[in-house]
Amino acid sequence: GQQLNQSPQSMFIQEGEDVSMNCTSSSIFNTWLWYKQDPGEGPVLLIALYKAGELTSNGRLTAQFGITRKDSFLNISASIPSDVGIYFCAGLGYSGGSNYKLTFGKGTLLTVNP
Amino acid sequence: GAVVSQHPSRVICKSGTSVKIECRSLDFQATTMFWYRQFPKKSLMLMATSNEGSKATYEQGVEKDKFLINHASLTLSTLTVTSAHPEDSSFYICSAPPRQGFHNEQFFGPGTRLTVL
Repeated sequence: GQQLNQSPQSMFIQEGEDVSMNCTSSSIFNTWLWYKQDPGEGPVLLIALYKAGELTSNGRLTAQFGITRKDSFLNISASIPSDVGIYFCAGLGYSGGSNYKLTFGKGTLLTVNP
Repeated sequence: GAVVSQHPSRVICKSGTSVKIECRSLDFQATTMFWYRQFPKKSLMLMATSNEGSKATYEQGVEKDKFLINHASLTLSTLTVTSAHPEDSSFYICSAPPRQGFHNEQFFGPGTRLTVL
């Protein structure tokens, strides 16, 4: 089945620093998404990418859809304490009939020291 | 924005009992809902795709007789963990796309923490 490799697994940074995390896949996805999950909550969508090569920003977040459609990265600039959480990449793939499904990466745990 | 709720938020039960978890779309109709489980410090794993008015589609390795899914209306899907055992303890999360066919726009519920003693 499809697998997403997300790195790094965890990061410890100082407030104000920039952060970068990425995902690679063994197969092609037509849509890449990045989510943030706070403890005890469901994931919240941060950025969605629909075209190979697309670079999209959402405030201090920037994400890119790789040209090969097998990878994506997420950058967070000027981190703040509330950026703490687990960040997941996800690829949307066809699962049969009229259904599509999300395959998630293993997550990057971000800790920001004030 | 679209809101998905889950009930209960946490449940503790004895081994051998069954537990029902509800997933509701509060301000939109969802013909499709998705059920995930998440172990501590792990990723979300899709368990099944729930389609209103038809049988759920289960992922490989998920026991359909153990995890019963019912999508009886356009705003409610339920997951029943039958004869729960400690290894079923996990965080169960549902999601739903607010627009039919646009599965990239999934909104997630807040999750249900199940602990089986």
